[in-house]
Amino acid sequence: QSVLTQPPSVSGAPGQRVTFSCTGSSSNIGAGFDVHWYQQFPRTAPKLLIYANNYRPSGVPDRFSGSKSGTSASLAITGLQAEDEADYYCQSYDSSLSAYVFGTGTKVTVL
Amino acid sequence: EVQLVESGGGLVQPGRSLRLSCIGSGFIFGDYSMSWFRQAPGKGLEWVGFFRGTVYGGTTEYAASVKGRFTISRDDSKSIAYLQMNSLKTEDTAVYYCAREHAVVTAAFDIWGHGTMVTVSS
Repeated sequence: QSVLTQPPSVSGAPGQRVTFSCTGSSSNIGAGFDVHWYQQFPRTAPKLLIYANNYRPSGVPDRFSGSKSGTSASLAITGLQAEDEADYYCQSYDSSLSAYVFGTGTKVTVL
Repeated sequence: EVQLVESGGGLVQPGRSLRLSCIGSGFIFGDYSMSWFRQAPGKGLEWVGFFRGTVYGGTTEYAASVKGRFTISRDDSKSIAYLQMNSLKTEDTAVYYCAREHAVVTAAFDIWGHGTMVTVSS
């Protein structure tokens, strides 16, 4: 059902850098629509982490960064910390569906 | 403090109806577009629909999976958004969240409620 594809899981040791992708198509990311990223801990609501491809809301640590190119976007976490262990979702708009769409979600595990 | 609080979830039989509420506080509710999302147990996030703020036309849009069954409304004087769910199906079982659309960045949702669980089962 998800229109945007993410790797199911990534892992890294504390202090390492992890990066993962969000792959879309010409009707969403490739059409120029912004990509936003959310962080979600178990049994809690999503939290806006990155908006408009690479901007951080107030209070979000600068170890989180986003980028976008072509039909894909990426989220990077540098200096991985135990508290970053969560699910991460990308989100954009799809013009063919006339709908907001989410990625499949990536679970980040801190080893 | 800016916050959203959902209520109205519960257990309902297939084919029945349920109305969820989302109360906002700490901001001018009518200035913002509001959306509803859902997350089935163990699954990812799904957009359900939105009601644009009055200044943006006050229009509604819905996901294909709920169009014709779900209706979003709002009462800005009470800072409340509603999600009326009719003809419920078992696949509508999920945690339902309301969220505020970012004031400047279209399609980014900066404030979320804690969610309310809807279980559709006989």
